[in-house]
Amino acid sequence: EDQVTQSPEALRLQEGESSSLNCSYTVSGLRGLFWYRQDPGKGPEFLFTLYSAGEEKEKERLKATLTKKESFLHITAPKPEDSATYLCAVYGGSQGNLIFGKGTKLSVKP
Amino acid sequence: GAGVSQSPSNKVTEKGKDVELRCDPISGHTALYWYRQSLGQGLEFLIYFQGNSAPDKSGLPSDRFSAERTGGSVSTLTIQRTQQEDSAVYLCASNPDRGETQYFGPGTRLLVL
Repeated sequence: EDQVTQSPEALRLQEGESSSLNCSYTVSGLRGLFWYRQDPGKGPEFLFTLYSAGEEKEKERLKATLTKKESFLHITAPKPEDSATYLCAVYGGSQGNLIFGKGTKLSVKP
Repeated sequence: GAGVSQSPSNKVTEKGKDVELRCDPISGHTALYWYRQSLGQGLEFLIYFQGNSAPDKSGLPSDRFSAERTGGSVSTLTIQRTQQEDSAVYLCASNPDRGETQYFGPGTRLLVL
């Protein structure tokens, strides 16, 4: 069964304290892995798409990496405005829909 | 350009009543998805429309849930005889084609009393 697991469930950081969020997946034939950011009361906002192991993408303080089993979202020197829930999702097999993890709730304190 | 829009943004209803939720996808996007997000849970796939093909209804939790997409654009998700466990945020997404990045609307927050 296709599955996405994110860890930790919640992460509290001090401003400037770098860290990583993990997304491990089991899927038959990965066709894309997606990272989204979701603020309270809003829909998910697209961040990155990764297609193959070894691929990396960067945007401001965020960098996403992909291996054959997992993806990491690295946050460098975070700021309070980076506080949000970060969602990981995959396309796999013959499914047309995304399979989501439960997310990591990130809090960055000033 | 305009993103995915959904209405209403919030809906409070009584148990047993029917509700209709609307989604207006990004213009030109052929694929449209409905997901449900319950407190503490991940996004749960409900239904997927791709062009003129028959929809993938494999995620609908019961026969009280149905959806249609008129003219390949606007979609309506209908929940009949609502139950308290239907309370959740219902999210709509669209993309230019299957497998590509999905763009989400702001969601409809449904509360069934």
